[in-house]
Amino acid sequence: GDSVTQMEGPVTLSEEAFLTINCTYTATGYPSLFWYVQYPGEGLQLLLKATKADDKGSNKGFEATYRKETTSFHLEKGSVQVSDSAVYFCALGPENYGQNFVFGPGTRLSVLP
Amino acid sequence: DAGVTQSPTHLIKTRGQQVTLRCSPKSGHDTVSWYQQALGQGPQFIFQYYEEEERQRGNFPDRFSGHQFPNYSSELNVNALLLGDSALYLCASSPGQRGNQYFGPGTRLLVL
Repeated sequence: GDSVTQMEGPVTLSEEAFLTINCTYTATGYPSLFWYVQYPGEGLQLLLKATKADDKGSNKGFEATYRKETTSFHLEKGSVQVSDSAVYFCALGPENYGQNFVFGPGTRLSVLP
Repeated sequence: DAGVTQSPTHLIKTRGQQVTLRCSPKSGHDTVSWYQQALGQGPQFIFQYYEEEERQRGNFPDRFSGHQFPNYSSELNVNALLLGDSALYLCASSPGQRGNQYFGPGTRLLVL
């Protein structure tokens, strides 16, 4: 079945450092790809998405490019802030009716001042 | 415009009891999905409701059941609670079965 693999955390960075969180997926078709963020004590918030190969999703300085050839959707940000500390989830969206979202295990990011 | 709301925020039950969790979708959304998020893990899909019927189901036993009302709100019921049912239960609503999902804050269930 479809699955998502993310780099293990926690990831600890200093403020203004460059961030990469790796995400690779296995899918039989061509699903939409998502990054969700979960702040402490809260539900998940949609961060960005891409619906087809070579699409780049971006939001709040974060970006990720849908790479079909490497089945990847790595999340990047050029300069992280303390407020970016959260858990980040990569997910596959349903391509067809009868499918559902598949989430990765999450990567915890801690940004130190 | 209110987002997805869930109640209660926290709940403590004992093994063998039954629990009902509630979700109100974001305005304009007609589809509700439920997820279980164990500590330190990603959300696991339980089931999805659309037009008051269960349309998809993940790998969860029949102890997990649900309902969707005409106003699109939804309930998740869990019978014969086990210690392993302790988790954060997330509700997500979307405009249609394949639309972007918007999550509520979750209900944290602790089974003792």
